[in-house]
Amino acid sequence: EAGVAQSPRYKIIEKRQSVAFWCNPISGHATLYWYQQILGQGPKLLIQFQNNGVVDDSQLPKDRFSAERLKGVDSTLKIQPAKLEDSAVYLCASSWGQSYQETQYFGPGTRLLVL
Amino acid sequence: AQSVAQPEDQVNVAEGNPLTVKCTYSVSGNPYLFWYVQYPNRGLQFLLKYITGDNLVKGSYGFEAEFNKSQTSFHLKKPSALVSDSALYFCAVRDKDTGRRALTFGSGTRLQVQP
Repeated sequence: EAGVAQSPRYKIIEKRQSVAFWCNPISGHATLYWYQQILGQGPKLLIQFQNNGVVDDSQLPKDRFSAERLKGVDSTLKIQPAKLEDSAVYLCASSWGQSYQETQYFGPGTRLLVL
Repeated sequence: AQSVAQPEDQVNVAEGNPLTVKCTYSVSGNPYLFWYVQYPNRGLQFLLKYITGDNLVKGSYGFEAEFNKSQTSFHLKKPSALVSDSALYFCAVRDKDTGRRALTFGSGTRLQVQP
């Protein structure tokens, strides 16, 4: 089966510009996560969706980050305006449901560089 | 709060020798533990997970991990390392008592297998 798809793979922007990332989860997966992975660190959750509803956005910097999953499938993550410290890899993951036992499957990530 | 520690930034091992990548965790309830591997410019690939039952878990590519509740550890092991195992390894935990489905990751351990 096809894995989690993300685009673009790389993005370079100037600070204060805006940027958007796209994710298409594995078919049939109701739960979708966005993680931020800063160089040298493990991924950290930004937001979790169950279908098209937000389950956990407690660590999302809401003054500049936003995300949506309108039809419960694809999702977009936006940063506006970007700061230098937003340089990171943005990983999308999906799972079939919300069970604690379930495995999350990750996409290849979008590497963002803010200059 | 849940946390994961990977005490070694890098592990070096000769091809054919056994390898161990260490992970300790801290949770308030019962842990669900995961290992992922990350190759350059790629997302995280699932290796194995501990949910309940047998403390020795077998996963992909010949890897296994041993859950030790008294030592709060979940070390990743492989009997005979391959050069192709060289990558970044992440341990992650999910604590059912927190109600959060997102994974909490360690900072990663780089495994270098020398020919």
